Order: sequence, then structure tokens, then C-alpha cells
Amino acid sequence: NAGVTQTPKFQVLKTGQSMTLQCAQDMNHNSMYWYRQDPGMGLRLIYYSASEGTTDKGEVPNGYNVSRLNKREFSLRLESAAPSQTSVYFCASTMVRWTYEQYFGPGTRLTVT
Amino acid sequence: GIQVEQSPPDLILQEGANSTLRCNFSDSVNNLQWFHQNPWGQLINLFYIPSGTKQNGRLSATTVATERYSLLYISSSQTTDSGVYFCQTGAGNQFYFGTGTSLTVIP
Repeated sequence: NAGVTQTPKFQVLKTGQSMTLQCAQDMNHNSMYWYRQDPGMGLRLIYYSASEGTTDKGEVPNGYNVSRLNKREFSLRLESAAPSQTSVYFCASTMVRWTYEQYFGPGTRLTVT
Repeated sequence: GIQVEQSPPDLILQEGANSTLRCNFSDSVNNLQWFHQNPWGQLINLFYIPSGTKQNGRLSATTVATERYSLLYISSSQTTDSGVYFCQTGAGNQFYFGTGTSLTVIP
């Protein structure tokens, strides 16, 4: 099992450009999450998908959109990137039915100039 | 949202020393997890411990949910223990992280 995978690993964007971060999990987990991590801080939840077909806002949703494509895949879209969105983005998943233990992907380092 | 405070923010240990990291949270929660973020940025699951005590080798953790805190114990520290330790908690699908304890173990 690969666990949680993310693409790309690194990305540089210019202000105003758009991009989509991809996440996939092969653990048959129900829920998936997107976080951002800024220097010296813990992770903050952007959006989550409790189950296929549903998405909800987390703590810092502004400037982002998400799509739960199927049970395995959850994407994060930046429609018009801003320098304030420079961060490391992590995707995570959890079973939920018996446990809320989360498993994280390796992260995507995004720089917006 | 739930406030999560970790202490100490920074810790420097001599190899072989023991340490205790603390996580306080502001509200009732139904999950708690400890992670180690290694120098390459990877988040490694240490413990999922919404209540009670667990041990895994040199590491152990205790959560007292009624008193809203959790402790992570590291014994006989090694240089490979260096990195940032995060506590994560929440209720339902809303998860909150503390700002971490940065641990440096020197040989």
C-alpha cells in the first residue's frame, strides 16, 4: 500500500495563476482532509470531505476549492494564487468508522511569487 | 475552535536523557493524536490516544480527557528523535494542531 500520495511535490506559481493539488489514498478510508502548514506553526485545516460526495469548510477555507472525485481522490484548487498561499500543503485521510486516526501524505511545497 | 497549547516550545537534550512534552486543549474532544515531523517534513504517526496510556518502545503517551491534557514521554533520547512533535485533537471532523515542540537531541 502506498498510503496517502500527493502530487506535485513542489510548485512555483505567479500571483493570479491557478493550479490543482492532487491527493489519493489506497486505504479505503472514508474521510479526507487538506491542511496547510506555515513556518513555525502547526497545521490548519482548509477543507475536508467526510464521505464521497460531501465537502465542508475547515478553519481556513478562503481562496480554495475542493473536489472529492471518488472515494480515493480529493483535490485542492487555487483559482487565483496569492503570495499569502505560499505554504506546505498536506493531505490526510481517516477511516472514521472506528477511529479518527489520521494518516498524512508527504506534502506539497507551494511558492507563490 | 478548540485551542491547543503545547509546552515547552523548544527543548534541547543530551542523548540518553528523558523528556516529557505536554499538550493542553480547551474543550471536550473525541480524538487525540501525537505526530513527529522529521527534518524532511514528513509527519509520522506516534500515538492515537483519545484516552488512557499507550507505550511503543522508548515512547509512551497518556491522555486524561476529563482534565483536557495529554503527555508524551520520550526516554533514553536518540539523535533520530530530533524534529518537531505535534499534538492534534478535535471533535468530529474538525481537527486542530498545536504549534509543536521542537526537540533537538545532541550527541
